[in-house]
Amino acid sequence: GQNIDQPTEMTATEGAIVQINCTYQTSGFNGLFWYQQHAGEAPTFLSYNVLDGLEEKGRFSSFLSRSKGYSYLLLKELQMKDSASYLCAVTGFQKLVFGTGTRLLVSP
Amino acid sequence: ETGVTQTPRHLVMGMTNKKSLKCEQHLGHNAMYWYKQSAKKPLELMFVYNFKEQTENNSVPSRFSPECPNSSHLFLHLHTLQPEDSALYLCASSQEGRLAGGPYEQYFGPGTRLTVT
Repeated sequence: GQNIDQPTEMTATEGAIVQINCTYQTSGFNGLFWYQQHAGEAPTFLSYNVLDGLEEKGRFSSFLSRSKGYSYLLLKELQMKDSASYLCAVTGFQKLVFGTGTRLLVSP
Repeated sequence: ETGVTQTPRHLVMGMTNKKSLKCEQHLGHNAMYWYKQSAKKPLELMFVYNFKEQTENNSVPSRFSPECPNSSHLFLHLHTLQPEDSALYLCASSQEGRLAGGPYEQYFGPGTRLTVT
């Protein structure tokens, strides 16, 4: 079976750094995605990790440790528009399985 | 039109009605997906079509019936739904290879907010 855990909600201040963790247990693993979803909108792709290590893309970075079944999404220089849900999804056997998502609230 | 489009954006239907949700992708992808998103629950994969063939039916009740007439269009036919079927229904597409590996990055439509009364 597959199990993905993320914190339900996090709060942070504008300009700060926040780390959203994701742990997973899967039968078969081909990679891990992070998606951002604003309320009432479609999820949009943020990052994809297939090898261990850190992938940096502007203000967002994503880390993967396959041996630990662990990933995190790091958001730097937070902006108000970063308030959204962040979905961790793992791939196995040509199927994406999503976590419940972490709702991030950024305050002034 | 670009990306993935879905119609209607909002739908209210009674339990005895029959309706259809439509999805169209303008990305040249060969795989399409239906997901259900309920409050406080993870995105649930419902159906997968790969090269127009259904490759996944994730134990979805028969009151949901998918149709994929070509690689750009995907429908979800609804009949005799229950109130617990009220949710956001998302369509997605991706470019998959025929070899093992993937899935690859999925592009989502804006969703149809369905309310069953």
